[in-house]
Amino acid sequence: GAGVSQSPSNKVTEKGKDVELRCDPISGHTALYWYRQSLGQGLEFLIYFQGNSAPDKSGLPSDRFSAERTGGSVSTLTIQRTQQEDSAVYLCASSLRLQRLDGNTIYFGEGSWLTVV
Amino acid sequence: KQEVTQIPAALSVPEGENLVLNCSFTDSAIYNLQWFRQDPGKGLTSLLLIQSSQREQTSGRLNASLDKSSGRSTLYIAASQPGDSATYLCAVTWEAAGNKLTFGGGTRVLVKP
Repeated sequence: GAGVSQSPSNKVTEKGKDVELRCDPISGHTALYWYRQSLGQGLEFLIYFQGNSAPDKSGLPSDRFSAERTGGSVSTLTIQRTQQEDSAVYLCASSLRLQRLDGNTIYFGEGSWLTVV
Repeated sequence: KQEVTQIPAALSVPEGENLVLNCSFTDSAIYNLQWFRQDPGKGLTSLLLIQSSQREQTSGRLNASLDKSSGRSTLYIAASQPGDSATYLCAVTWEAAGNKLTFGGGTRVLVKP
């Protein structure tokens, strides 16, 4: 597609439910990143993928969070047993190659706004 | 701890003035530094990327400088316009941190007509 596409754009869920957030990166981009942006916390790194593998999961806040990427394209971020503190904007980004290889431009989607009530 | 700091958190200027946005980082061993713009309710748009070997990058009215030894970068926006109102974020990719970007808290800019 023309840009990074995320769905849903908005999600309100009850505490304790599971949610899935989807990211469709720019076609041909091998690197995919998930970030979280919450009030008072700024932008936090969650996880990145190179192809289908995730070398760095260090940013995932707890074992309730998981992510996968299939076919080197679409990625899904899953949050199990959601808590109110999970409320945030979840941003996905992609780039042609990894940042440390040649520092190429990274493109962000508009985010999935998650509210846990 | 590797941190990125942006001061001030908010800035208001009259139209036509030049904008100067500051970013500081704690460790000079970086791969690159990027400046992004975020409009309310939107994602981030990459403005400029400076590799560790570069001193500055320019695009139109935007100019970003990098001083690794002092751990600072400055984004200059010449002749500001109301359309420049947004939050500007600086992000660093550190050599020791793999491929993740570490963001500053951003500077919220308002350009008054």
